[in-house]
Formats: sequence, C-alpha cells, structure tokens
Amino acid sequence: DAGITQSPRHKVTETGTPVTLRCHQTENHRYMYWYRQDPGHGLRLIHYSYGVKDTDKGEVSDGYSVSRSKTEDFLLTLESATSSQTSVYFCAISGGVYNEQFFGPGTRLTVL
Amino acid sequence: GENVEQHPSTLSVQEGDSAVIKCTYSDSASNYFPWYKQELGKGPQLIIDIRSNVGEKKDQRIAVTLNKTAKHFSLHITETQPEDSAVYFCAADTGRRALTFGSGTRLQVQP
Repeated sequence: DAGITQSPRHKVTETGTPVTLRCHQTENHRYMYWYRQDPGHGLRLIHYSYGVKDTDKGEVSDGYSVSRSKTEDFLLTLESATSSQTSVYFCAISGGVYNEQFFGPGTRLTVL
Repeated sequence: GENVEQHPSTLSVQEGDSAVIKCTYSDSASNYFPWYKQELGKGPQLIIDIRSNVGEKKDQRIAVTLNKTAKHFSLHITETQPEDSAVYFCAADTGRRALTFGSGTRLQVQP
C-alpha cells in the first residue's frame, strides 16, 4: 500500500463520542487526503492537505476536522460521531507532478 | 464542481471476453483521469491513468481512451481473467490536486 498505514483498522463507537483516525506515510509525499466510501457513492473527499498545517475542505467536510503537524501524519477527527458517519475511511497520498494518488488499507468505522 | 458519471454499475463477462467501462465528466478543465481497481477489503489500487494530451494508453491487457471533446473516457480490459473480478472506479482531477470519483463498476468474470 505504497508506505501508508491507517489506524485503527476497525472501530466501533457510540453516537456523540469523539473519534480520531490516523494516517501515516513513509513516502514523504506532500499531499494527503481523507475519503469516505459508502455503497453507491464511490469515494468522496472529506479533507485534504497540501503541506504541513495546510488543509482544505472536500465535498463532504461537515462534521469532520483534520490536522497535519508533520509531513508523515494526517489526522481525521469526528468531534461528535453520528450514525451517518458509519463508513469506510481511506487515506491517500500524492507527490507526483500529476495527481497520482495511492491509497491506504482503510478504516471501518461503525457508529452505534 | 466536477461531476463524474460511471456506467455500468455492474458488468458480468465470460472469461476471455472483453470488458468496457465508461465515464463522463463535467469540468472541461480536468486534465488527469486515473482508473482504480478495488478488491474486497482492500484500498483502491491505481491501475492506469491518462492525461489530457493523450488519446489512448495501453498497458498489457488494459487500455484507456479519452475523448476531451465529448468529455468521456473509457477503460478496456481484454482477455478477461477471474482475477480481474473487482470494483473499478474512474476519477477526474478537478485541478485542485483533488480527485472526483465515479460511483464504481462491479466486474464479475465468469470462469
């Protein structure tokens, strides 16, 4: 998976609790992304980062925040999880001239 | 913003036959079009991509064609094998280093 790890790989939590997902890369790529994948919707961009402390919103950013204090780590936080945030979350990285993105193994999050 | 439509949503072919998946996009400024293969329980894997200055690209049994005038691009898999069974996604670069994905095609290759 191109030097990308995600943690945890599985998580079950309750509505209203905060949740943080971590993406770690060893490729020293500048760009990092968080997507969610739901049946019938493909992959939808939540947030992305174009450098340390530089982030921007994607199409489904409501209810999510991100932080990037180091090149290798990109954190996704659900401040107060809701059942609609039950999904599989993928991290991706990109560093080439064009936007070739390489994905991590995913985190399956269930919000009860 | 960019909108990417992908068809069909499911595709079943016999082993050895060809498979074609088609995508259309809305933003004429898009200039990079990757295709991903996703196996069950895994992250998407980049299998081929094409840039706007090229009309066709091949890599062994897979090829991608791009028609910028019509704003559509296609994935062609020849001599399909059971291990080609997976979900395939097309995507388009919005120009902000962000990809917009199609909704996916589940390909089943029958032995």
